[in-house]
Amino acid sequence: GENVEQHPSTLSVQEGDSAVIKCTYSDSASNYFPWYKQELGKGPQLIIDIRSNVGEKKDQRIAVTLNKTAKHFSLHITETQPEDSAVYFCAANEGGADGLTFGKGTHLIIQP
Amino acid sequence: SQTIHQWPATLVQPVGSPLSLECTVEGTSNPNLYWYRQAAGRGLQLLFYSVGIGQISSEVPQNLSASRPQDRQFILSSKKLLLSDSGFYLCAWSAGGASGNTIYFGEGSWLTVV
Repeated sequence: GENVEQHPSTLSVQEGDSAVIKCTYSDSASNYFPWYKQELGKGPQLIIDIRSNVGEKKDQRIAVTLNKTAKHFSLHITETQPEDSAVYFCAANEGGADGLTFGKGTHLIIQP
Repeated sequence: SQTIHQWPATLVQPVGSPLSLECTVEGTSNPNLYWYRQAAGRGLQLLFYSVGIGQISSEVPQNLSASRPQDRQFILSSKKLLLSDSGFYLCAWSAGGASGNTIYFGEGSWLTVV
């Protein structure tokens, strides 16, 4: 089955700086890669996703890049703000109905 | 628009007691439904998924079970809870049919087994 590794587990950045979270996956058949943001005590919320036929996708301050050859994808947040503080999860789907395989999460801390 | 509801939001149960968490989805038909568990400070583990009424697939052997009595209703149950069942349980849905569809999560249910 699929295996997703996510790094770092904790990331602290100064407000206004950029943050980058990286994930690797094992199954070359995976074709869908979403990113979720989870605030304390709440369910994860989808913030951006990318499919295997695209190399990069951007939505305002958030961007995701995908390298299918190397089997890794990354989340980039620019001009970080205090409300960006949360746990971020990457995930991959290998094409079945059995849901997503998640990374272990990154706790992003924005220092004022 | 589609919405997902799960309840109760918080539950404290003694060891050996039964469990029932319910989830319903509105605004869509024939969704794929999922139950995930998230232990404190850890990632999301898929417990069960369902592609249709009465069709349940289990990902992890345990003392939990799931049922889908109606198209948009998904229930997570246990006959006897263990301490290790404590955690944050998340129901989720995606559009049925094609794979690689976006998965949307509910707000979660905190279960503490004492």
